Amino acid sequence: EAGVAQSPRYKIIEKRQSVAFWCNPISGHATLYWYQQILGQGPKLLIQFQNNGVVDDSQLPKDRFSAERLKGVDSTLKIQPAKLEDSAVYLCASSQLRYRGADTQYFGPGTRLTVL
Amino acid sequence: SQQGEEDPQALSIQEGENATMNCSYKTSINNLQWYRQNSGRGLVHLILIRSNEREKHSGRLRVTLDTSKKSSSLLITASRAADTASYFCATDGKGSARQLTFGSGTQLTVLP
Repeated sequence: EAGVAQSPRYKIIEKRQSVAFWCNPISGHATLYWYQQILGQGPKLLIQFQNNGVVDDSQLPKDRFSAERLKGVDSTLKIQPAKLEDSAVYLCASSQLRYRGADTQYFGPGTRLTVL
Repeated sequence: SQQGEEDPQALSIQEGENATMNCSYKTSINNLQWYRQNSGRGLVHLILIRSNEREKHSGRLRVTLDTSKKSSSLLITASRAADTASYFCATDGKGSARQLTFGSGTQLTVLP
């Protein structure tokens, strides 16, 4: 089966500019996650969608970050305006999320963002 | 905040040796998972151990879980250069959202 697709793979912008990332999850996966991974650290969850509804966005800096998942499939994550500390890899993951089962997440290759 | 903390932060071994990585966590869990991340890539799921299991095997991987100590270990036997990667433990908490909380990772280098 096709994996999680993300684009672009790399993005360099200047601070205060805006940027958007796109994710296409594995077909049939209802749950989609966006993570931020700063160099040398583990991924930190930004937002979790179940179909096209938000399950948790408690760690999303809502003053500058926004995300949507239209029609419960593709998703976009936007940063506006970007700050230097937003430099990181942004990972998208999807899962089937069986409520009483264990959830294995499948990750895309990530988008490496550099803010100058 | 990161629930799991891996130890050591970095590990360098010779090909053929075994590699052991440890993970400690703070709160009750449903299960614990290990993921691998090659440089510049996304994470790949390796193995999952449920809270009522103590040990699990998958190929050259062996995972143990001690819920009384809130700790887990990942053993890679007969390591290969291709095992060079970062390894992360992730805990699945008892909330209904079933989110994963990742540790900070162990960077494993296997020298040929």
